[in-house]
Amino acid sequence: QSALTQPPSASGSPEQSVTISCTGTSSDVGGSNYVSWYQQHPGKAPKLIIYEVNKRPSGVPDRFSGSKSGNTASLTVSGLQAEDEADYYCTSFAVSNTLYVFGTGTKVTVL
Amino acid sequence: EVQLLESGGGLVQPGGSLRLSCAASGFTVSTYAMSWVRQAPGKGLEWVSAIGHSGGATYNADSVKGRFTISRDNSKNTLSLQMNSLRAEDTAIYYCAKGDRRSGWAHWGQGTLVTVSS
Repeated sequence: QSALTQPPSASGSPEQSVTISCTGTSSDVGGSNYVSWYQQHPGKAPKLIIYEVNKRPSGVPDRFSGSKSGNTASLTVSGLQAEDEADYYCTSFAVSNTLYVFGTGTKVTVL
Repeated sequence: EVQLLESGGGLVQPGGSLRLSCAASGFTVSTYAMSWVRQAPGKGLEWVSAIGHSGGATYNADSVKGRFTISRDNSKNTLSLQMNSLRAEDTAIYYCAKGDRRSGWAHWGQGTLVTVSS
């Protein structure tokens, strides 16, 4: 099972929006409604920001939103803030020997 | 409050073994699905192993199948990862995480570093 494909980097100015894609196959993203997104600041553990494609855990700002179309899931961060600068990873439940597969990760920079 | 605290990391030679532990508080490990996720230095996240919330079904990534075993000790409210036949490519920070495919991993420990080197 190969890792899901994410762009290595994305950037935007404060208050702008940035969208990160996460492309897999019909065996993972395309065949599952269990896509999650994680935010990771340097030296810290990952933090769950989206689960089941588009649901936000309690306490996560509504600036973060998720969606999916076919084999590609997306995370949009609206109204970028300095604290959003971090690495972002998608993950999907997979119908294969590997239960879960992560994306390659995207570094978001706030200009 | 849910808390997870990993321990047991360290330096081990190739071919050696190590056992990681994850002490849980604020919930009972026997009633939730749990996973181990690792991150090699400067690299991305990789799911390693999972154990189901009931019955204890276990699952492993192909990269560790036959070498790593996930388990839990209900009496100690602890999750464990027994790692055998360690390789240099197993060098990583190992995180334990609470959750499953529906909920996502909403709670993570701070991680424990495993270094496989001679």
